[in-house]
Amino acid sequence: AQSVAQPEDQVNVAEGNPLTVKCTYSVSGNPYLFWYVQYPNRGLQFLLKYITGDNLVKGSYGFEAEFNKSQTSFHLKKPSALVSDSALYFCAVRERAHGSSNTGKLIFGQGTTLQVKP
Amino acid sequence: GAVVSQHPSRVICKSGTSVKIECRSLDFQATTMFWYRQFPKQSLMLMATSNEGSKATYEQGVEKDKFLINHASLTLSTLTVTSAHPEDSSFYICSGLQVALDTNYGYTFGSGTRLTVV
Repeated sequence: AQSVAQPEDQVNVAEGNPLTVKCTYSVSGNPYLFWYVQYPNRGLQFLLKYITGDNLVKGSYGFEAEFNKSQTSFHLKKPSALVSDSALYFCAVRERAHGSSNTGKLIFGQGTTLQVKP
Repeated sequence: GAVVSQHPSRVICKSGTSVKIECRSLDFQATTMFWYRQFPKQSLMLMATSNEGSKATYEQGVEKDKFLINHASLTLSTLTVTSAHPEDSSFYICSGLQVALDTNYGYTFGSGTRLTVV
């Protein structure tokens, strides 16, 4: 069964310090991986995605993520956190298309609340 | 960039009435629209997947007669919550999958609708 795990419900970090939000996945084949951010009562905003190529992906607002196939992980990172980064972060995977059975569904992790304190 | 306009952002309705939520893709054609439900501080639960001109595919446990989805055009999809009850109160989010960018898996999320049934 396909799944995505975000092991931490909440991550606390001081402003200016580096941050990491963890994500591991379990899917058949090579996955397409995504990170989204959600602010209160808003939809999801795209941060970055890994499809193929370099394992280190750079995205919006200074975020980056590293695809690690052997560890089946796609952790989100930022060198220097801002208070405005405080939000709910979701990791998601989509399995690569195989024939007509793929519907393009994204499978989301349970979300990690990032709290950046001044 | 791609935008999905979701309306209304908030709605309060009386128990037993129906509520319609609209999602419009403003600058792209969404061959597929996904509808999600989100409880406070929880992940997104996929309710159904709709393809333009076809009947929606509902996830297990989602009542298709209660949550009516229409995807009549490539730019408009609607979710109607029929005979709403307090337990239907939730945050509903749509996501459009772009035709032209499908190979890059361009998912665009609406801003969400907060439904409160009293």
